[in-house]
Amino acid sequence: DIQMTQSPSSLSASVGDRVTITCRASHNIDNNINWYQQKPGKAPKLLIYAASSLQSGVPSRFSGSGSETQFTLSITTLQPEDFATYYCQQSYSLPRTFGQGTKVEIK
Amino acid sequence: QVQLQESGPGLLKPSQTLSLTCTVSGGSLSSGGYYWSWIRQHPGKGLEWIGYIYYTGSTYYNPSLQTRIAISVDTSKDQFSLKVRSVTAADTAMYYCAKTSILETTAGAFDIWGQGTMVTVSS
Repeated sequence: DIQMTQSPSSLSASVGDRVTITCRASHNIDNNINWYQQKPGKAPKLLIYAASSLQSGVPSRFSGSGSETQFTLSITTLQPEDFATYYCQQSYSLPRTFGQGTKVEIK
Repeated sequence: QVQLQESGPGLLKPSQTLSLTCTVSGGSLSSGGYYWSWIRQHPGKGLEWIGYIYYTGSTYYNPSLQTRIAISVDTSKDQFSLKVRSVTAADTAMYYCAKTSILETTAGAFDIWGQGTMVTVSS
């Protein structure tokens, strides 16, 4: 299985900050990574697919980058509604695997 | 817009079989071009992909669970189902169904999720 390792596990930030979350894959997955946002009591929501493509309806302050084994999710100008947990997921091979999550909390 | 809705019992005893159903609305499960997955999330933990099914009945299961699970499809009802045998407390989790495109630009990503159903295993 491909292991997905996110860092940090949690972070504290203020409204207006820029936030960067990193995901490292245990094997080369090309650009086959997706990012999700999950709020308490809700299902995850797709933000970014194929490393850098913005899902329809997702604000442009979210962006993704990277390739092979190193990837980042960035949120520019953090908004109150962005405080949530974020997960990466590889779609390169089966079984599909997720990172352990990064919780973005209010400072 | 496709929507997914999970249903099933919320409480089970150890050794019982968990049965969940996901109903697809706003689209046809048998239209092809999508995989239909089950994903679970233990309380306060991350996401674990359980497996998926194609409308033809073709499946792929996570090796970590494959000895105890079965996913089936009923195209006449636009439903797919998950069975987990011999449940233990370790199967206590929120269970989600989700859709993945095969050919669209979002291929491989879970672009539509159900709201989830909580399953508790307790004696």
